[in-house]
Amino acid sequence: DAGVTQSPTHLIKTRGQQVTLRCSPKSGHDTVSWYQQALGQGPQFIFQYYEEEERQRGNFPDRFSGHQFPNYSSELNVNALLLGDSALYLCASSLIGGDNTGELFFGEGSRLTVL
Amino acid sequence: AQTVTQSQPEMSVQEAETVTLSCTYDTSENNYYLFWYKQPPSRQMILVIRQEAYKQQNATENRFSVNFQKAAKSFSLKISDSQLGDTAMYFCAFQGYAGKSTFGDGTTLTVKP
Repeated sequence: DAGVTQSPTHLIKTRGQQVTLRCSPKSGHDTVSWYQQALGQGPQFIFQYYEEEERQRGNFPDRFSGHQFPNYSSELNVNALLLGDSALYLCASSLIGGDNTGELFFGEGSRLTVL
Repeated sequence: AQTVTQSQPEMSVQEAETVTLSCTYDTSENNYYLFWYKQPPSRQMILVIRQEAYKQQNATENRFSVNFQKAAKSFSLKISDSQLGDTAMYFCAFQGYAGKSTFGDGTTLTVKP
């Protein structure tokens, strides 16, 4: 049973560039959430996708956008990168509906460094 | 908006001893989930234990148990017989009706041999 996979694992960008991060959810899951985790801090909710729609959004600017595909995989895009965007980006999958236990299943994350 | 507070940035415990990590939260919702997640160094975050707010009985999972005080909005994690593999960052998380999980800033736990 494949867990949550994310790519790339590490990447370095410069200020002003754009980045795309990718996530495949755990088999059988239909919902993908993205989190930003700065060093030494807890994950901050960016947004959640379900049925290819953004279901909820945290307090992040419009430079952060996403997409969910029919196979439930998801992308996180960040435009006009700032130094403060340097962080570990976590993807988490879950189920909405009768079998939902609330548990999030996390990938290993994509570590973004902005220079 | 929900908030989750973990007041202990770092803790340490001797192997085989017991340690308790604290967590408080703020919400106006009545039905929700509370979680403790573990994030080992350079490894992915995994669920340790889960509590449903409508259940009065405290959840237990082997060496891990919680003390859930709904009126006080407190949700502490007790780790018994601590093992070296328990060394990790521990996050308390709240999930309400909307399905979004809110995390605390974590407690770094070091188990010493």
